[in-house]
Amino acid sequence: AQRVTQPEKLLSVFKGAPVELKCNYSYSGSPELFWYVQYSRQRLQLLLRHISRESIKGFTADLNKGETSFHLKKPFAQEEDSAMYYCALSGLSRAGTYKYIFGTGTRLKVLA
Amino acid sequence: ETGVTQSPTHLIKTRGQQVTLRCSSQSGHNTVSWYQQALGQGPQFIFQYYREEENGRGNFPPRFSGLQFPNYSSELNVNALELDDSALYLCASSVGTLTRETQYFGPGTRLLVL
Repeated sequence: AQRVTQPEKLLSVFKGAPVELKCNYSYSGSPELFWYVQYSRQRLQLLLRHISRESIKGFTADLNKGETSFHLKKPFAQEEDSAMYYCALSGLSRAGTYKYIFGTGTRLKVLA
Repeated sequence: ETGVTQSPTHLIKTRGQQVTLRCSSQSGHNTVSWYQQALGQGPQFIFQYYREEENGRGNFPPRFSGLQFPNYSSELNVNALELDDSALYLCASSVGTLTRETQYFGPGTRLLVL
């Protein structure tokens, strides 16, 4: 089955502590992986994508094809990182048409 | 540059009715995707349109249909509404159909089916 799994619904960390949001995927083929973020009262927006290999707001994510994981990490959490985070993948179906799969999301709360 | 807009913001319908939701893509974007987000869940892909043709579809029945217009605005139509159709409906626009493209989301339309 093709799916994206985010095992934690809620993750609470203290300000300055490291953060790791877990994401595992199951997909036949070579998907593209993304992290989207939704801050309070804002729309869903891209945080980063694996193909860019960039760091956004101090967050990084490494694609591990062997473990089919794409965990999101930040060494020192800040209060403004509190938000809902979604891992997602896009790929092509066998028919060559587009497919996009989101995980169920992890709410990150950074405590003062 | 104008972002993605959706209308209406909220809608209440009764079971069996039909509904049309609208989306205006970000300037310069020729691809639009629609998602259903039930409470406490991630967005679920309904379908994507590129140059007025459906370019991909998730696991949704045919009563979910769409249109994309030459100006790249889009509609999502749902017939024979069911209670489980109550959700936030999101549209997202992008440039092209490559799987690596970033999607830009609208604020959503919240649909309640009674």
